Amino acid sequence: GEDVEQSLFLSVREGDSSVINCTYTDSSSTYLYWYKQEPGAGLQLLTYIFSNMDMKQDQRLTVLLNKKDKHLSLRIADTQTGDSAIYFCAGVFGGATNKLIFGTGTLLAVQP
Amino acid sequence: EPEVTQTPSHQVTQMGQEVILRCVPISNHLYFYWYRQILGQKVEFLVSFYNNEISEKSEIFDDQFSVERPDGSNFTLKIRSTKLEDSAMYFCASSGDNNQPQHFGDGTRLSIL
Repeated sequence: GEDVEQSLFLSVREGDSSVINCTYTDSSSTYLYWYKQEPGAGLQLLTYIFSNMDMKQDQRLTVLLNKKDKHLSLRIADTQTGDSAIYFCAGVFGGATNKLIFGTGTLLAVQP
Repeated sequence: EPEVTQTPSHQVTQMGQEVILRCVPISNHLYFYWYRQILGQKVEFLVSFYNNEISEKSEIFDDQFSVERPDGSNFTLKIRSTKLEDSAMYFCASSGDNNQPQHFGDGTRLSIL
């Protein structure tokens, strides 16, 4: 079945760039998403990319998709302390509906 | 910006009791979903719902679970006889169509004693 994996933890200094990585096993992905979860809060949609794209940029966020390697990354430029959160990669991999398969989440800790 | 709202934020229930988790999806959305996240584990798909019927459900969504859209605004998840292992954060999501991103609520933390 489909599987989505992420590294568990990333620590960066304020002002640096953060790169959060995600790999998936199913090549039939249609959409891939990044969600952010702050403590005690829900899942906030950050950005998404369609599988026929390689890159998408949205202000400080850049998503890169390497379909050959089944690898997705989220780059956050000029990381701020307010970016500290858990970041989830999720994908739609066909099936009857648009159900999301989530990764384990990456805890991003931004040091001042 | 429109958002998905869930109530209650925290529900504590005795094992064996029925529980109903409530969600108000974004008003013009047509596709509705429930997910759950057991502490320390991945967010898992439970069920999707469209046109007043279940479109897809996971293995987790057994006969103890049911969903309903009782009126034009609410979408509910019922667990008939709760078990300890049902303790988790339950997230509701909605999307405008099958190709649009899903927007999530803040979740209901369900604690079974």
